[in-house]
Amino acid sequence: EVQLVESGGGLVQPGGSLRLSCTASGFIFSNYWMHWVRQAPGMGLVGVAQISGDGTATTYAESLKGRFTISRDNGAGTLFLQMNSLTTDDTALYYCTYASGWHGSAIDVWGQGAMVTVSS
Amino acid sequence: SLELTQPPSVSVSPGQTANITCSGKKLGRKYTSWHQQKTGQAPVVVIFQDSRRPSEIPERFSGSNSGDTATLTISGAQAVDEADYFCQVWDNDIVTFGGGTKLTVL
Repeated sequence: EVQLVESGGGLVQPGGSLRLSCTASGFIFSNYWMHWVRQAPGMGLVGVAQISGDGTATTYAESLKGRFTISRDNGAGTLFLQMNSLTTDDTALYYCTYASGWHGSAIDVWGQGAMVTVSS
Repeated sequence: SLELTQPPSVSVSPGQTANITCSGKKLGRKYTSWHQQKTGQAPVVVIFQDSRRPSEIPERFSGSNSGDTATLTISGAQAVDEADYFCQVWDNDIVTFGGGTKLTVL
């Protein structure tokens, strides 16, 4: 069974840092681009960052460049998101996701999400 | 980067047809998918590659994409279809979602 399990969320003060992890299982992790998508409370979905299967290519949402870093460890089947200089606007549920290919380029596999709350 | 615009809300009576649009520059040249999200749940794909429907999704869901607009159509909408709907594109840039449309069926 394909599974994505996020961890590392929590409460952090403005200006702080947090590192999210996503443990993948049930598929060949290194074959797929992986994505972090976030959803602020009551708001829409926003692509945050994505990384190629071999980890050599990354793309970020323009507004987040320089503060967030996506990486992966294919040997451990784990995706990471390092978040620095956090602001209250970064408060959101962060999903680890990917497009399995069964539905073209549609993002069709989602973790349960990791909640990040930035507050003093 | 690509921006996708959706109406914030659409309201129909049960049995009516709901059309939800997604607008973006030259969107018709890109594959668009549609996701349904119910409260407290992760999104689910209802349409992919503009008009293809996953086998588990009811036939009343259909899609089209031309010019600058993609459209999700729910023919004979039911109360169970009440949800937020997001369009999504992923080609050479960061995966992009529309702002979402809240569908009300009452």
